[in-house]
Amino acid sequence: AQSVAQPEDQVNVAEGNPLTVKCTYSVSGNPYLFWYVQYPNRGLQFLLKYITGDNLVKGSYGFEAEFNKSQTSFHLKKPSALVSDSALYFCAVREDTGGFKTIFGAGTRLFVKA
Amino acid sequence: GAVVSQHPSRVICKSGTSVKIECRSLDFQATTMFWYRQFPKQSLMLMATSNEGSKATYEQGVEKDKFLINHASLTLSTLTVTSAHPEDSSFYICSAIQTGTGQEKLFFGSGTQLSVL
Repeated sequence: AQSVAQPEDQVNVAEGNPLTVKCTYSVSGNPYLFWYVQYPNRGLQFLLKYITGDNLVKGSYGFEAEFNKSQTSFHLKKPSALVSDSALYFCAVREDTGGFKTIFGAGTRLFVKA
Repeated sequence: GAVVSQHPSRVICKSGTSVKIECRSLDFQATTMFWYRQFPKQSLMLMATSNEGSKATYEQGVEKDKFLINHASLTLSTLTVTSAHPEDSSFYICSAIQTGTGQEKLFFGSGTQLSVL
């Protein structure tokens, strides 16, 4: 069965420092992996996805994520955090078996201090 | 923890019929719910924001008359795909915001796979 784990409920970072939001997954086939961001009282916004190809995926707002098959991880990263990056981040996985079900992680709240 | 129930999980219908999908927050009240659709190998696309007691806010390009949203109570929002056609076949997922716990949290339904023949 598919599963996604975001081990940290909250991540605190100072502005200008690099940030990492962790995600690990479990699927029986090849994974499609996604990161989404949610700002207060708003719907999810797509950040980036990994389907195939380069393990380092670049997305919106300067975010990137690295697919690591051996560690079954897809951590979200940004070299220099902004206060405006403070939001709730969700990792999601879909299995490449022709099915459509997408599983979401529990979310990680990112706080960036000025 | 909080649970969002989405029903049905899978539905197959004939072209021209209407299909209703329900999204329920089981142990919390949700004044705001969201509806998304997802195509294979694509990300979620926000369709609309559903607010209890008022009209839904639709994203640009989403047909209001095609995708009817009703948020009649604090625990239930419904999405009705009217006069469905094969191009409406997709994965639909809802989410609900839980407030009042000190921190706003977002919970997802398990999704509905719609296949229109």
